[in-house]
Amino acid sequence: GENVEQHPSTLSVQEGDSAVIKCTYSDSASNYFPWYKQELGKRPQLIIDIRSNVGEKKDQRIAVTLNKTAKHFSLHITETQPEDSAVYFCAAKQVGTYKYIFGTGTRLKVLA
Amino acid sequence: SAVISQKPSRDICQRGTSLTIQCQVDSQVTMMFWYRQQPGQSLTLIATANQGSEATYESGFVIDKFPISRPNLTFSTLTVSNMSPEDSSIYLCSVAEGGEKLFFGSGTQLSVL
Repeated sequence: GENVEQHPSTLSVQEGDSAVIKCTYSDSASNYFPWYKQELGKRPQLIIDIRSNVGEKKDQRIAVTLNKTAKHFSLHITETQPEDSAVYFCAAKQVGTYKYIFGTGTRLKVLA
Repeated sequence: SAVISQKPSRDICQRGTSLTIQCQVDSQVTMMFWYRQQPGQSLTLIATANQGSEATYESGFVIDKFPISRPNLTFSTLTVSNMSPEDSSIYLCSVAEGGEKLFFGSGTQLSVL
């Protein structure tokens, strides 16, 4: 069935460094790829998304890239800050459905 | 984005009992979704709730265990029936704005003893 693999499961970086989280999806019919940030005890929050007709999207310190051929997409966070510490989930949505397949999550720790 | 409220925010329940979780949205939406997040895990779709029709359940989830109501375009309930410790999870309702961007409710943390 449809699957989204996410790596790494945990990531520690020094404050100010960059962090990259990668996801691979299996269903070539997927056309929308959001990223969520979930702080401890809180709901997942949409932080950035990308559609399949776009290769890259940036919003201040975060960016997402998509390689449709390889079925990869990645989240890039630059100049990390302690408040970036959270669990990040990628997801893929199949075209014509409301079904989102979520990755397994990455726990990011930004060390001050 | 829509404001999505859930009640209760957390509960501790005894094995064999049932809990009904309420989800209220501040605008009318066609579809509402219920997700489960087991401890330290990802998000799994339980079912999709349309107003005026029966909910559509994902593989591994059944109506007898997770009955859903959708009486109008701003409200839905999820009941977790005959609970066991394995049902201890966060339950999240959500809506898709513009048919695409998924936003989540405040969540219900359920612990079953």
